[in-house]
Amino acid sequence: GAVVSQHPSRVICKSGTSVKIECRSLDFQATTMFWYRQFPKQSLMLMATSNEGSKATYEQGVEKDKFLINHASLTLSTLTVTSAHPEDSSFYICSARTARDIQYFGAGTRLSVL
Amino acid sequence: KNEVEQSPQNLTAQEGEFITINCSYSVGISALHWLQQHPGGGIVSLFMLSSGKKKHGRLIATINIQEKHSSLHITASHPRDSAVYICAALNNNNDMRFGAGTRLTVKP
Repeated sequence: GAVVSQHPSRVICKSGTSVKIECRSLDFQATTMFWYRQFPKQSLMLMATSNEGSKATYEQGVEKDKFLINHASLTLSTLTVTSAHPEDSSFYICSARTARDIQYFGAGTRLSVL
Repeated sequence: KNEVEQSPQNLTAQEGEFITINCSYSVGISALHWLQQHPGGGIVSLFMLSSGKKKHGRLIATINIQEKHSSLHITASHPRDSAVYICAALNNNNDMRFGAGTRLTVKP
Protein backbone atom coordinates (compact mmCIF):
# COMPACT_ATOMS: atom_id res chain seq x y z
CA GLY A 1 0.00 0.00 0.00
CA ALA A 2 0.92 3.65 -0.15
CA VAL A 3 3.54 4.82 2.31
CA VAL A 4 4.66 8.17 3.56
CA SER A 5 8.27 8.28 4.65
CA GLN A 6 9.32 10.88 7.18
CA HIS A 7 12.96 11.51 8.03
CA PRO A 8 14.60 11.78 10.47
CA SER A 9 12.56 9.97 13.09
CA ARG A 10 14.45 11.70 15.87
CA VAL A 11 16.72 14.71 15.99
CA ILE A 12 18.52 16.43 18.81
CA CYS A 13 19.99 19.84 18.13
CA LYS A 14 21.44 22.83 19.88
CA SER A 15 19.45 25.97 20.39
CA GLY A 16 19.83 28.36 17.47
CA THR A 17 20.38 25.75 14.81
CA SER A 18 17.97 24.92 12.01
CA VAL A 19 16.49 21.50 11.48
CA LYS A 20 15.01 20.10 8.28
CA ILE A 21 12.44 17.34 8.27
CA GLU A 22 11.59 15.54 5.03
CA CYS A 23 8.32 13.96 4.07
CA ARG A 24 8.09 11.77 0.99
CA SER A 25 5.23 9.93 -0.57
CA LEU A 26 6.83 6.72 -1.78
CA ASP A 27 4.47 5.31 -4.36
CA PHE A 28 1.95 8.00 -5.10
CA GLN A 29 1.83 11.67 -5.97
CA ALA A 30 0.61 13.83 -3.13
CA THR A 31 -1.52 16.71 -4.27
CA THR A 32 -1.47 18.12 -0.78
CA MET A 33 0.81 17.61 2.20
CA PHE A 34 0.10 18.54 5.78
CA TRP A 35 2.35 19.22 8.73
CA TYR A 36 1.14 18.61 12.26
CA ARG A 37 2.61 19.21 15.65
CA GLN A 38 1.85 17.21 18.74
CA PHE A 39 2.54 18.32 22.29
CA PRO A 40 2.85 15.67 25.00
CA LYS A 41 -0.41 13.88 25.70
CA GLN A 42 -2.29 16.05 23.25
CA SER A 43 -3.75 15.39 19.88
CA LEU A 44 -2.28 16.41 16.55
CA MET A 45 -2.55 20.09 15.65
CA LEU A 46 -2.41 21.21 12.04
CA MET A 47 0.43 23.64 11.41
CA ALA A 48 0.23 24.16 7.67
CA THR A 49 -1.05 22.80 4.41
CA SER A 50 1.09 22.79 1.31
CA ASN A 51 0.41 22.17 -2.33
CA GLU A 52 3.16 21.42 -4.81
CA GLY A 53 4.61 24.52 -6.37
CA SER A 54 2.73 27.02 -4.23
CA LYS A 55 3.22 28.67 -0.87
CA ALA A 56 2.05 26.84 2.20
CA THR A 57 -1.06 27.94 4.05
CA TYR A 58 -0.31 28.31 7.74
CA GLU A 59 -2.77 27.93 10.56
CA GLN A 60 -3.38 30.84 12.86
CA GLY A 61 -0.63 31.24 15.40
CA VAL A 62 2.00 29.33 13.41
CA GLU A 63 4.96 31.51 12.43
CA LYS A 64 5.71 31.01 8.76
CA ASP A 65 9.20 32.43 9.12
CA LYS A 66 9.88 30.00 11.93
CA PHE A 67 8.51 26.94 10.24
CA LEU A 68 9.52 27.03 6.59
CA ILE A 69 7.70 24.62 4.34
CA ASN A 70 8.83 23.76 0.86
CA HIS A 71 6.72 21.49 -1.29
CA ALA A 72 9.26 20.99 -4.02
CA SER A 73 7.58 18.19 -5.90
CA LEU A 74 4.52 15.98 -5.84
CA THR A 75 6.40 13.51 -3.67
CA LEU A 76 8.44 15.70 -1.35
CA SER A 77 7.70 18.32 1.25
CA THR A 78 10.15 19.65 3.80
CA LEU A 79 9.63 21.46 7.09
CA THR A 80 12.55 23.52 8.36
CA VAL A 81 12.47 24.71 11.94
CA THR A 82 14.65 27.77 11.82
CA SER A 83 16.74 28.95 14.76
CA ALA A 84 15.23 26.25 16.93
CA HIS A 85 14.65 26.90 20.61
CA PRO A 86 13.74 24.52 23.42
CA GLU A 87 10.08 25.49 23.14
CA ASP A 88 10.12 24.09 19.59
CA SER A 89 10.81 20.64 21.00
CA SER A 90 7.85 18.58 19.93
CA PHE A 91 6.67 15.73 17.77
CA TYR A 92 6.14 16.72 14.14
CA ILE A 93 4.06 14.60 11.80
CA CYS A 94 3.55 14.93 8.08
CA SER A 95 0.70 13.59 6.06
CA ALA A 96 0.13 13.30 2.34
CA ARG A 97 -3.14 13.23 0.49
CA THR A 98 -3.74 11.63 -2.88
CA ALA A 99 -5.80 13.06 -5.71
CA ARG A 100 -8.61 10.78 -4.49
CA ASP A 101 -8.48 12.40 -1.04
CA ILE A 102 -6.94 9.38 0.67
CA GLN A 103 -4.63 10.60 3.39
CA TYR A 104 -1.58 8.79 4.66
CA PHE A 105 0.54 9.67 7.68
CA GLY A 106 4.27 9.68 8.25
CA ALA A 107 5.65 8.06 11.37
CA GLY A 108 6.65 11.41 12.85
CA THR A 109 9.83 13.18 13.93
CA ARG A 110 10.70 13.86 17.53
CA LEU A 111 12.64 17.09 17.82
CA SER A 112 14.55 17.86 20.98
CA VAL A 113 16.24 21.25 21.19
CA LEU A 114 18.87 21.56 23.92
CA LYS B 1 -17.41 20.70 21.83
CA ASN B 2 -14.82 18.91 19.71
CA GLU B 3 -15.96 17.67 16.35
CA VAL B 4 -14.44 14.29 17.15
CA GLU B 5 -14.85 12.71 20.55
CA GLN B 6 -13.18 9.53 21.68
CA SER B 7 -13.89 7.30 24.62
CA PRO B 8 -12.51 6.15 26.88
CA GLN B 9 -9.54 8.45 27.39
CA ASN B 10 -7.62 5.73 29.16
CA LEU B 11 -8.14 2.01 29.10
CA THR B 12 -6.35 -0.73 30.97
CA ALA B 13 -6.96 -4.35 30.04
CA GLN B 14 -5.59 -7.76 30.82
CA GLU B 15 -3.89 -9.71 28.08
CA GLY B 16 -6.41 -11.61 26.04
CA GLU B 17 -9.33 -9.27 26.65
CA PHE B 18 -11.50 -7.90 23.88
CA ILE B 19 -11.12 -4.15 23.60
CA THR B 20 -13.39 -1.52 22.14
CA ILE B 21 -12.52 2.12 21.57
CA ASN B 22 -15.26 4.47 20.45
CA CYS B 23 -15.26 7.54 18.27
CA SER B 24 -18.18 9.88 17.69
CA TYR B 25 -18.20 12.83 15.35
CA SER B 26 -20.61 15.68 14.95
CA VAL B 27 -20.03 16.74 11.35
CA GLY B 28 -20.45 15.21 7.94
CA ILE B 29 -17.38 13.26 6.94
CA SER B 30 -16.01 11.62 3.83
CA ALA B 31 -13.64 9.26 5.63
CA LEU B 32 -12.52 8.25 9.09
CA HIS B 33 -9.05 7.08 10.07
CA TRP B 34 -7.82 5.06 13.00
CA LEU B 35 -4.20 5.71 13.89
CA GLN B 36 -1.94 3.95 16.36
CA GLN B 37 0.74 5.95 18.11
CA HIS B 38 3.46 3.95 19.82
CA PRO B 39 5.03 5.05 23.12
CA GLY B 40 8.00 6.43 21.19
CA GLY B 41 5.64 8.61 19.17
CA GLY B 42 5.68 6.80 15.84
CA ILE B 43 2.34 6.79 14.06
CA VAL B 44 0.89 3.92 12.08
CA SER B 45 -2.24 4.18 9.99
CA LEU B 46 -4.50 1.27 10.91
CA PHE B 47 -7.64 1.84 8.91
CA MET B 48 -9.39 4.27 6.66
CA LEU B 49 -13.16 3.81 6.54
CA SER B 50 -16.02 5.45 4.75
CA SER B 51 -18.62 2.76 5.43
CA GLY B 52 -19.10 -0.68 6.90
CA LYS B 53 -16.36 -2.69 8.48
CA LYS B 54 -12.71 -3.53 7.92
CA LYS B 55 -10.57 -6.21 9.50
CA HIS B 56 -6.82 -6.59 9.67
CA GLY B 57 -5.47 -9.35 11.82
CA ARG B 58 -6.82 -8.90 15.34
CA LEU B 59 -8.07 -5.40 14.59
CA ILE B 60 -11.57 -4.59 13.42
CA ALA B 61 -12.93 -1.16 12.62
CA THR B 62 -16.57 -0.34 12.04
CA ILE B 63 -18.40 2.80 11.12
CA ASN B 64 -22.06 3.72 11.26
CA ILE B 65 -22.59 6.77 9.08
CA GLN B 66 -26.15 7.39 10.24
CA GLU B 67 -25.17 7.37 13.90
CA LYS B 68 -21.86 9.19 13.23
CA HIS B 69 -19.97 6.63 15.21
CA SER B 70 -16.99 4.38 14.68
CA SER B 71 -15.44 1.70 16.84
CA LEU B 72 -12.05 0.08 16.88
CA HIS B 73 -11.95 -3.43 18.32
CA ILE B 74 -8.93 -5.46 19.31
CA THR B 75 -9.43 -9.16 19.83
CA ALA B 76 -7.13 -11.24 22.03
CA SER B 77 -5.28 -8.16 23.20
CA HIS B 78 -1.57 -8.33 23.84
CA PRO B 79 0.84 -6.05 25.73
CA ARG B 80 2.34 -4.98 22.40
CA ASP B 81 -1.05 -3.42 21.58
CA SER B 82 -0.34 -0.85 24.28
CA ALA B 83 -0.39 2.50 22.50
CA VAL B 84 -2.47 5.59 21.96
CA TYR B 85 -5.23 5.09 19.40
CA ILE B 86 -6.41 8.18 17.57
CA CYS B 87 -9.57 8.64 15.58
CA ALA B 88 -9.36 11.21 12.77
CA ALA B 89 -12.25 12.33 10.62
CA LEU B 90 -11.99 14.00 7.25
CA ASN B 91 -14.89 16.42 7.21
CA ASN B 92 -16.73 17.61 4.16
CA ASN B 93 -14.46 20.65 3.94
CA ASN B 94 -11.57 18.22 3.52
CA ASP B 95 -10.19 19.20 6.91
CA MET B 96 -8.90 16.45 9.18
CA ARG B 97 -10.21 16.59 12.73
CA PHE B 98 -8.53 14.50 15.41
CA GLY B 99 -9.88 12.94 18.54
CA ALA B 100 -7.88 13.37 21.72
CA GLY B 101 -6.77 9.75 21.64
CA THR B 102 -7.30 6.70 23.83
CA ARG B 103 -4.35 5.48 25.83
CA LEU B 104 -4.50 1.69 25.97
CA THR B 105 -2.41 -0.35 28.38
CA VAL B 106 -2.57 -4.11 28.12
CA LYS B 107 -1.11 -5.91 31.10
CA PRO B 108 0.39 -9.38 30.84
